[in-house]
Amino acid sequence: TQLLEQSPQFLSIQEGENLTVYCNSSSVFSSLQWYRQEPGEGPVLLVTVVTGGEVKKLKRLTFQFGDARKDSSLHITAAQPGDTGLYLCAASNNAGNMLTFGGGTRLMVKP
Amino acid sequence: EPEVTQTPSHQVTQMGQEVILRCVPISNHLYFYWYRQILGQKVEFLVSFYNNEISEKSEIFDDQFSVERPDGSNFTLKIRSTKLEDSAMYFCASSGPRSQVTSPLHFGNGTRLTVT
Repeated sequence: TQLLEQSPQFLSIQEGENLTVYCNSSSVFSSLQWYRQEPGEGPVLLVTVVTGGEVKKLKRLTFQFGDARKDSSLHITAAQPGDTGLYLCAASNNAGNMLTFGGGTRLMVKP
Repeated sequence: EPEVTQTPSHQVTQMGQEVILRCVPISNHLYFYWYRQILGQKVEFLVSFYNNEISEKSEIFDDQFSVERPDGSNFTLKIRSTKLEDSAMYFCASSGPRSQVTSPLHFGNGTRLTVT
């Protein structure tokens, strides 16, 4: 069973601070996705990374896929209260459709 | 923007009863999925469905579970005889005509199943 470990599990910061959350595994994945989930809603896809070493930016969010395609990070610059939520990484190790999810990082940004 | 819709939002049932969770995927999507999330735990894959048949399923998806696409729009998950441990949030998802590497998953807002 492949496992995705996310760290930290919880993060509480002040508005304007920077943060990085991590998603790690001992397995190699063909692709990795980051989702954000609000209470009472389903996960919403933020980004998909496919190539080892790939970096993608989405406004103040920067996503990186490790060179060996075993890990990923999400960096948020100048966090805002609207960034508060549960951030999930999920990965697939084949061209099929089964995603393995990490346990999530619950972020709270205080004004 | 098109979205995946799930009904009901909350289902309460007694142990041993059958439940059917319903989903309407995005209309031009071809791949359909069910995931579940037990309270406080990770989102877990149950099953994927393509071309009117199951393409992958997890160990969780045992004989008590079945999926069906009874018409051109609905995608259902049936649990034949519910157990207490089936209590969870069940998410339906769909993706477009290519593999999920290039076609993102769109999740519904889930059905919270409570088995008493």
